[in-house]
Amino acid sequence: DIQMTQSPSSVSASVGDRVTITCRASQGISSWLAWYQQKPGKAPKLLIYAASSLQSGVPSRFSGSGSGTDFTLTISSLQPEDFATYYCQQGNSFPFTFGPGTTVDIK
Amino acid sequence: QVQLVESGGGLVKPGGSLRLSCAASGFTFSDYYMSWIRQAPGKGLEWVSYISGSGTTIYYADSVKGRFTISRDNAKNSLYLQMNSLRAEDTAVYYCARRYNWNDLDFWGQGTLVTVSS
Repeated sequence: DIQMTQSPSSVSASVGDRVTITCRASQGISSWLAWYQQKPGKAPKLLIYAASSLQSGVPSRFSGSGSGTDFTLTISSLQPEDFATYYCQQGNSFPFTFGPGTTVDIK
Repeated sequence: QVQLVESGGGLVKPGGSLRLSCAASGFTFSDYYMSWIRQAPGKGLEWVSYISGSGTTIYYADSVKGRFTISRDNAKNSLYLQMNSLRAEDTAVYYCARRYNWNDLDFWGQGTLVTVSS
């Protein structure tokens, strides 16, 4: 199975800050990488697919980059509604594993 | 609009069985792979199983292989997960989700809680 790691595990930030989350795959996955946002008690929401494609309806302050084994999710200017947990997920081969998550909370 | 509504969760004893259902609407159900994802309390996400639109291609996570069975009824726009020989570690919120183009999940249900406890 492909293992996914994320760093940091949590980050404290303020509204307006730029936040970057890193995801690493244990082997190359090309661009088969998605990012999700999850708020407490809610289902995850797809933000980015194919490593860098913005899902319809997602604000442009979210962006993704990377290929192979190293990927990044960037929130350019953190908004109050962005405080949540973020997961990466590889779609290269089943089981389609998720990263352990990164919690973005208020500084 | 796309809607996925899970049902069937509840409290079950270890070794017991449960059948989850997911009712889909707002899209051509048979055109899409569908998946079950679970999340143990306070933990991360685990992809449990997925099934092709025709039902001919099926995958399971090793943790549930031989115990869980995914199926679908395209005439009823419904997805199912039959869970047998349940263990305490199967306790989780179970989500159904629609697979998108790059093996990601673009729509999710609200989830149904399965608790395995004596």
